[in-house]
This record gives sequence, C-alpha cells and structure tokens, in this order.
Amino acid sequence: NAGVTQTPKFQVLKTGQSMTLQCAQDMNHNSMYWYRQDPGMGLRLIYYSASEGTTDKGEVPNGYNVSRLNKREFSLRLESAAPSQTSVYFCASSRSGSETDTQYFGPGTRLTVL
Amino acid sequence: AQRVTQPEKLLSVFKGAPVELKCNYSYSGSPELFWYVQYSRQRLQLLLRHISRESIKGFTADLNKGETSFHLKKPFAQEEDSAMYYCALSGFSGAGSYQLTFGKGTKLSVIP
Repeated sequence: NAGVTQTPKFQVLKTGQSMTLQCAQDMNHNSMYWYRQDPGMGLRLIYYSASEGTTDKGEVPNGYNVSRLNKREFSLRLESAAPSQTSVYFCASSRSGSETDTQYFGPGTRLTVL
Repeated sequence: AQRVTQPEKLLSVFKGAPVELKCNYSYSGSPELFWYVQYSRQRLQLLLRHISRESIKGFTADLNKGETSFHLKKPFAQEEDSAMYYCALSGFSGAGSYQLTFGKGTKLSVIP
C-alpha cells in the first residue's frame, strides 16, 4: 500500500500560470482533503470531499478549484497562480469523514510562485 | 467557530527532561481532539487521539474540559522526539461531515 500519493513533489510557477496538483489514495477511503501549510500558520483546509461526487470549501478556498475524479483521486487546480499561493500543499484522506476518523497525509507538494 | 491554540512556536528541552506541549481549544460541542506529528522529511502522521486514551511513544494527552485543554506530555524526552507537533480538533462542518482544525504547531527540539 502506497497510502496517499501526490504529484509533483516540487513545482515553480510564474504569476498567472496554471497547474493541477494530483492526489491519489489506495486505502478505499471515502473522504479526501487539501491543505496548505505556511510557516507560523499551521495547516489550513482549502477544500474537501466528504464522498465521491461531493466537494466543499474549507477555510481558504479562494484561488483554487478541486475535482473529485473518482473515489481514489482528488485534484487541486490553481487557475492563475499568485505569489500568495507559495506554500506546501498536503492531500489527506480518511475512511468516512466521521468525527473520530484519522486522516492520512501525503508527502506534500512544495509550490513556489514567482 | 472552532479554534485551536498552541501558544509555543518552539520548545527546547534537554534529553531526559519532561515535556509538555500546550494545546487549548474553543468549540461549542463535545470535542474530539488529536495530536499529529511531523518528523523531519516525513509526512504528517497521527500521534494519538483523545478517544483512544492510549500512550504512543511514551506520550499521553488528557482532555480537560474545564480548562479546554489537551496538553501533550512525556516524562522523559528523547532526541528522536524532535519534530513539529500539531494539535487538531474535529468539528462539524455544517455540510454533513467533520473537518480538522489545526493549531499553528509547536516545534520541539530535544537537546542531547
């Protein structure tokens, strides 16, 4: 089991460029999440998908879109990247999105926007 | 709205000394709390959950509803405990599921 995988590991973009971050899990989990991690800010939820076919905004959704492609895959798209989106992005999944669920995290994507 | 506060950005202790990483929360319901840990060059992972009432790697955490705290403790710190620690609260999102709200994290440095 690979768990949660993310691609790419690193990316440098210019302001205004677009890109998609990919995430996949092989644990048959129903819920998936995208976070960003910034120094001194902890992890903040961008979007989540409680189950296949549903997506909802988290704390910081502006400038992002998501697609739950199927049960395994959940992608995050930056349509027009801005320097403020320079961050480390983590994808996570959990079995059912219940109150006591453990979330399992991917290795992260380090994104720099120039 | 739910909130998690970790007052210390950095905590340095000597090997063998006791460790306490503080976590306070604000939540209108009955909270489910977690500690996640991120070791250098590794992904974020669960350390322990309130509901499990277990001790992992010598760490324990007790929920104190009166003080709205969930401090993480270990009696004798080891060098391998050096890592970033995040306290998290699971709260109802209003969209039919639960979300984790993370504190800003505390970097623990254990001095040999």
